[in-house]
Amino acid sequence: DADVTQTPRNRITKTGKRIMLECSQTKGHDRMYWYRQDPGLGLRLIYYSFDVKDINKGEISDGYSVSRQAQAKFSLSLESAIPNQTALYFCATSDFRGFSYGYTFGSGTRLTVV
Amino acid sequence: QKEVEQDPGPLSVPEGAIVSLNCTYSNSAFQYFMWYRQYSRKGPELLMYTYSSGNKEDGRFTAQVDKSSKYISLFIRDSQPSDSATYLCAMSAESNSGYALNFGKGTSLLVTP
Repeated sequence: DADVTQTPRNRITKTGKRIMLECSQTKGHDRMYWYRQDPGLGLRLIYYSFDVKDINKGEISDGYSVSRQAQAKFSLSLESAIPNQTALYFCATSDFRGFSYGYTFGSGTRLTVV
Repeated sequence: QKEVEQDPGPLSVPEGAIVSLNCTYSNSAFQYFMWYRQYSRKGPELLMYTYSSGNKEDGRFTAQVDKSSKYISLFIRDSQPSDSATYLCAMSAESNSGYALNFGKGTSLLVTP
């Protein structure tokens, strides 16, 4: 089983719909992150969480919300999806040394908003 | 100006060539440097990490950091078609608070047989 699992892998949704992307990890890491990746823009941080009670906004949090249900689970919600939220979404995890030893990424969710 | 700059490519080389991938950065506080490899439709995977200046070698891969020039490189020797992927650099300052990793946009590499 993958260390960081994202569901669904692919999703097509309509404008205005609420959608949730889920992430679970078996790494035992405290820190979890949500990124989106767009061609030409690279990875951009949406939200991050250092433990269950800690939630922080990243560079581009508008239109998104998150929930840290447990140490191993971190979900991303789009309250009212819009077409420019079409992107590849990645969940990542790290321990406290993430700034030096890097993150572990999931395989991504490809989201299309029509 | 973004803190980390990386040429997006694409870079196309024949099998067996030496590949040089590079990033420049503007924040002199960056101390930790990483390279990720991302295959199509997959998440980035950590390839190498280094601390401060110098070289680090792992098989066919060598990571080089020149802090005086704010320039990092990843060299791939004897490149293989399986090396075809997007390579992202990432770096951070010495901090245990905040989301310290700063990513480049990635360079697309194609190794042709």
